[in-house]
Amino acid sequence: SQTIHQWPATLVQPVGSPLSLECTVEGTSNPNLYWYRQAAGRGLQLLFYSVGIGQISSEVPQNLSASRPQDRQFILSSKKLLLSDSGFYLCAWSVRKESSGNTIYFGEGSWLTVV
Amino acid sequence: AQSVAQPEDQVNVAEGNPLTVKCTYSVSGNPYLFWYVQYPNRGLQFLLKYITGDNLVKGSYGFEAEFNKSQTSFHLKKPSALVSDSALYFCAVRELSGGYNKLIFGAGTRLAVHP
Repeated sequence: SQTIHQWPATLVQPVGSPLSLECTVEGTSNPNLYWYRQAAGRGLQLLFYSVGIGQISSEVPQNLSASRPQDRQFILSSKKLLLSDSGFYLCAWSVRKESSGNTIYFGEGSWLTVV
Repeated sequence: AQSVAQPEDQVNVAEGNPLTVKCTYSVSGNPYLFWYVQYPNRGLQFLLKYITGDNLVKGSYGFEAEFNKSQTSFHLKKPSALVSDSALYFCAVRELSGGYNKLIFGAGTRLAVHP
């Protein structure tokens, strides 16, 4: 079965420091990968998605970047964190095969607090 | 653009009573609709989805949802609520972009089931 791992689970970082959140998927190949952010315990915003190694699309301009160095690894980064980057970050995956009904599965999330 | 609306910020139900969490959608073309649940400080868990076929979709934990094309709704239901059902529920619609899936989420509805 497929599993998705995301770490660290909790992170407290000072303003201006770098960020690296990692996500890996097991039990599948060539997945689509996603980073979402959830602010204030409610709405979910898609930040990045990827259909393959080195292929990253950004949904919104921001202080963050994403990379996919390996097929099942997705990394969310920042060179200098802002207070507004605080939130709950969720990695997710779906099967690559193009099907409108493909379910997107989420990791357990990473809490980022920028102080 | 596709969108979903969850008109209720919170739903309160007594344990053992039926529950309904509302969702309406706006899409161009055929809708592909999803429900997810989020427990405190956790990632999103997939509950069920409507792609095509029967309007009544059954999912995990005894939940079901009814697709109503004329009312553009996809309400989540359960015949008998449990206290453990208390969580944040998200409705989502698939948006096809660049040939693969993205999910557009509603704002979420907090379900509180009281003993």
